[in-house]
Amino acid sequence: QSVLTQPPSASGTPGQRVTVSCSGGSTNIATNSVDWYQQLPGTAPKVLMYNNNQRPSGVPDRFSGSKSGTSASLAISGLQSEDEATYHCATWDDRLNGWVFGGGTKVTVL
Amino acid sequence: EVQLVQSGGEVKKSGESLRISCKGSGYSFLNHWIGWVRQMPGKGLEWMGIIFPGDSDTRYSPSFQGQVTISADKSISTAYLQWTSLKASDTAIYYCARGGGNLDPFDVWGQGTMVTVSS
Repeated sequence: QSVLTQPPSASGTPGQRVTVSCSGGSTNIATNSVDWYQQLPGTAPKVLMYNNNQRPSGVPDRFSGSKSGTSASLAISGLQSEDEATYHCATWDDRLNGWVFGGGTKVTVL
Repeated sequence: EVQLVQSGGEVKKSGESLRISCKGSGYSFLNHWIGWVRQMPGKGLEWMGIIFPGDSDTRYSPSFQGQVTISADKSISTAYLQWTSLKASDTAIYYCARGGGNLDPFDVWGQGTMVTVSS
């Protein structure tokens, strides 16, 4: 059971907008920034978003992040076939004194 | 190019010991935290712990404290994850990643090491 809750799956057709949610609590998302990792099939995760809404260089601007209260979201606008991957949210938990991850959301491009 | 290169896959039996490695290059290994993350088959990511190679300051997830040992040899820019007695439930892919200290994201990841433990 992950500390952060994500839906197991999401899908959309090419060009659509898809959002992935990440729900936490008062000791993690509420007080710390959220990072998102993209894991393409059979590969290692890669940082997609950090500090809630900052994109590393090279990440397309169709990816955006936000946080409000105890929840965070990742949005993919203009969905493309290469976006088919599993997306993991992560943040620091002050009570556990460590990093916590969501269970991951598999995004499928229909 | 900044990269982390991990050691190859391992097949072990329950009760055996194991150490896997993660070699950093292209950056100052001493000055960046290295974390270890487990991914069991078909599951999500789990943070195991982090180490600062400069002074070997190490922090463990409560879930992994006492189960594994994280270490680093700064002379060869390599971090390690070690077990003294493997269990079948340790079967997973293990990733090392740069970052995790000071609330920094994990910005560079190794390719992963698959560990298979048979009972």
